[in-house]
Amino acid sequence: KAGVTQTPRYLIKTRGQQVTLSCSPISGHRSVSWYQQTPGQGLQFLFEYFSETQRNKGNFPGRFSGRQFSNSRSEMNVSTLELGDSALYLCASSWGDSGNTIYFGEGSWLTVV
Amino acid sequence: KQEVTQIPAALSVPEGENLVLNCSFTDSAIYNLQWFRQDPGKGLTSLLLIQSSQREQTSGRLNASLDKSSGRSTLYIAASQPGDSATYLCAAVGGGGATNKLIFGTGTLLAVQP
Repeated sequence: KAGVTQTPRYLIKTRGQQVTLSCSPISGHRSVSWYQQTPGQGLQFLFEYFSETQRNKGNFPGRFSGRQFSNSRSEMNVSTLELGDSALYLCASSWGDSGNTIYFGEGSWLTVV
Repeated sequence: KQEVTQIPAALSVPEGENLVLNCSFTDSAIYNLQWFRQDPGKGLTSLLLIQSSQREQTSGRLNASLDKSSGRSTLYIAASQPGDSATYLCAAVGGGGATNKLIFGTGTLLAVQP
């Protein structure tokens, strides 16, 4: 059974550009969440989707957005990139709406120059 | 607002030692608590999940306990090996409604010396 798949794994963008990251959850999982990991702030919650609906959103500016498709795949977008957006972006999936083991992908390393 | 703290921030032990990692959370209204490990440059690997109604979970050399009343969880690693070297993270899932939102601690960086 394939795990959580994130693409691309590594990317470099210039300030002011926008980026889209993709996440394919484990087959059958309907819950997808996104996290940002930086050395200074640790792991911070971005947003959570369940059956195409955003259930929770973290304390990030509106430049960060996401969506979930009917096949549970998810994308997140960051517009007008800033240097501080450089981070590891992690996607996680889970089977149910709460209480089940949460599995993470390998992440997408974003560097903004 | 849920806050999760892990102590110690870093730990170095010789191979073969038994060790305990600590995790504290401020709000006892949690669905569950999950322990992860993270190797450098990698994603998170799930180790153990403890439901709020459970006291402990075991997997191989790992044992995790949960005490909701005191807001504490511990991860016990028996007979540590160099391959156990990684950052260990605990995360709580809140109980305020259906959610899979994880609140993470800052992690414990473990080094097991051969």
